[in-house]
Amino acid sequence: EIVLTQSPGTLSLSPGERTTLSCRASQSVTSNYLTWYQQKPGQAPRLLVYGASSRATGIPDRFSANGSGTDFTLTISRLEPEDFAVYYCQQYGSSPQTWTFGQGTKVEIK
Amino acid sequence: EVQLVQSGAEVKKPGESLKISCQGSGYTFSTYWIGWVRQMPGKGLEWMGIIFPGDSDTRYSPSFQGQVTISADKSITTAYLEWSSLKASDTAMYYCVRRQYRWNYFDYWGQGTLVTVSS
Repeated sequence: EIVLTQSPGTLSLSPGERTTLSCRASQSVTSNYLTWYQQKPGQAPRLLVYGASSRATGIPDRFSANGSGTDFTLTISRLEPEDFAVYYCQQYGSSPQTWTFGQGTKVEIK
Repeated sequence: EVQLVQSGAEVKKPGESLKISCQGSGYTFSTYWIGWVRQMPGKGLEWMGIIFPGDSDTRYSPSFQGQVTISADKSITTAYLEWSSLKASDTAMYYCVRRQYRWNYFDYWGQGTLVTVSS
């Protein structure tokens, strides 16, 4: 079973700053089936990025992501107040079918 | 507009049974897999299992196999998550999700059902 490790656990930042979140897999992620979600307090998670680097519909271009194999990143170029949230990466494995989440990175206001 | 609407919050006692629901609309329900994700209080996300409503093909995470039952009724576009005997450790928010097959991600999420198990 692939384990996803996100780092850091918490980021304390100010609006306007740039930040990069890391997601590292214990084994290579099949076909870049790596997804990023954002979750705000009291809300369901929201899809941000799929296929390691493709932004979902309606996601602002200040969010970018890339990576392959075992190392993936999500970058927010300039933090807006609404970006303070928890971010999860997720991978899909096909044999057997499983979806695994990282433990999350909390981006909080400094 | 695609929507997944879940049943309301539940408060149960240990040992009781429970079935929560997730109704899909705005798309062809029988052609997309529906999954369930658990989030324990203050914790992260855990995938529990997934079902294809078209033929009820179901897969479970090893962590949840035998602990819950996932089912679906395509005639009423509804998926279910069921427990036969709840434990206090089942206290959590449960989300239903729609699987996007091409890249294997969850593109739509229900609003969540909070299950509280307490004596």
